[in-house]
Amino acid sequence: IQMTQSPSSLSASVGDRVTITCRASQGISDYLAWFQQKPGKVPKLLIYGASTLQSGVPSRFTGSGSGTDFTLTISSLQPEDVATYYCQKYNSAPLTFGGGTKVEIK
Amino acid sequence: EVQLLESGGDLVQPGGSLRLSCAASGFTFSTYAMSWVRQAPGKGLEWVSAISSSGGSTSYADSVKGRFTISRDKSKSTLYLQMNSLRAEDTAVYYCARFSSNYYVYVPLDYWGQGTLVTVSS
Repeated sequence: IQMTQSPSSLSASVGDRVTITCRASQGISDYLAWFQQKPGKVPKLLIYGASTLQSGVPSRFTGSGSGTDFTLTISSLQPEDVATYYCQKYNSAPLTFGGGTKVEIK
Repeated sequence: EVQLLESGGDLVQPGGSLRLSCAASGFTFSTYAMSWVRQAPGKGLEWVSAISSSGGSTSYADSVKGRFTISRDKSKSTLYLQMNSLRAEDTAVYYCARFSSNYYVYVPLDYWGQGTLVTVSS
């Protein structure tokens, strides 16, 4: 199963609503996670089960979707959200990651 | 506090071998499945391998199958990755990560180590 993220990069202003899409080549139910990797840092789990926020993650992050199409939304982009975001399926091995979406501030 | 500390990364020649270690603390190691994930310089994340809490079940990415072996030592709370027949394309930071339960499907990776750099070059 392939995981395809779009866009590969985006630039938005502080306060903007940002949406990242992840598409699975086959249905994966809701076994999808989103990770945030800030520059030079370790990946951090943001969302699992497609829409469940990991403890401590700000509520401006939301996830949605099921089956093959998923979305990560940042409701109001903040400077500290500059990072690359990855989706990952975990319904079965191989536990494939998407190619990543780099988010920058305009 | 969950801590995962990788070690063993080094410069190795193509065709060589290396063993990575990941020392776990702050949780009951024997009750969680574990994984290795790698990231080539400037590239995205690539899942490499996973092992169940008991060590009885393992899985590998096609890119490393037959060359890499994942294992764990309950008495030392340590995860290993034995890497043989290394290639230039194996050059990456290797992260150790914990699943949120005892098996490696249907649950996400919830904690990651800082990573260890493996460079394969002559």
